Amino acid sequence: GDSVTQMEGPVTLSEEAFLTINCTYTATGYPSLFWYVQYPGEGLQLLLKATKADDKGSNKGFEATYRKETTSFHLEKGSVQVSDSAVYFCALSFMRFGAGTRLTVKP
Amino acid sequence: DGGITQSPKYLFRKEGQNVTLSCEQNLNHDAMYWYRQDPGQGLRLIYYSQIVNDFQKGDIAEGYSVSREKKESFPLTVTSAQKNPTAFYLCASSIGTVDAFFGQGTRLTVV
Repeated sequence: GDSVTQMEGPVTLSEEAFLTINCTYTATGYPSLFWYVQYPGEGLQLLLKATKADDKGSNKGFEATYRKETTSFHLEKGSVQVSDSAVYFCALSFMRFGAGTRLTVKP
Repeated sequence: DGGITQSPKYLFRKEGQNVTLSCEQNLNHDAMYWYRQDPGQGLRLIYYSQIVNDFQKGDIAEGYSVSREKKESFPLTVTSAQKNPTAFYLCASSIGTVDAFFGQGTRLTVV
């Protein structure tokens, strides 16, 4: 069945460091892919999305490219800030979510 | 303001009791979803509904029940048959596969 495998955390970075969180998927057809962010005690917020192969989603300096050949949707940011500290989830449509990666950014 | 509202934010239940979590949306979305989140784990789909008066089981439906009598509302009942109900519950709604909007969640604790 469909599934999402996400890089395990936690991830701790210094401010202005480069971030990569890996996400790979298994699916039939061509699902939409999403990255969501969750701040403590809250629900999830959409960070970015891609609906077809080679699409690049971007928002707030974060980017991810839908790679059909490698079945991946890795999240990247060139320079993280303390305010980026949160849990990040990769999702396949709205049915399958990764386990989440906790990111802590230290000043 | 349009949005999705879950209530209450915190809920305590005695063992053996049923409890109902509320989820209301005024976004005019057709689809609604319930997820369970446990510490260190991702979201697992409990039930979803793509249209009024219809719903489907997700991956972990055992011990839960839902209804969808109105487009705006999708309540989740955690029954006494759910062996480990303590968790964070999230509700979401969507139009197609464009985006899902999430509520703030309900934290259920069995005491």
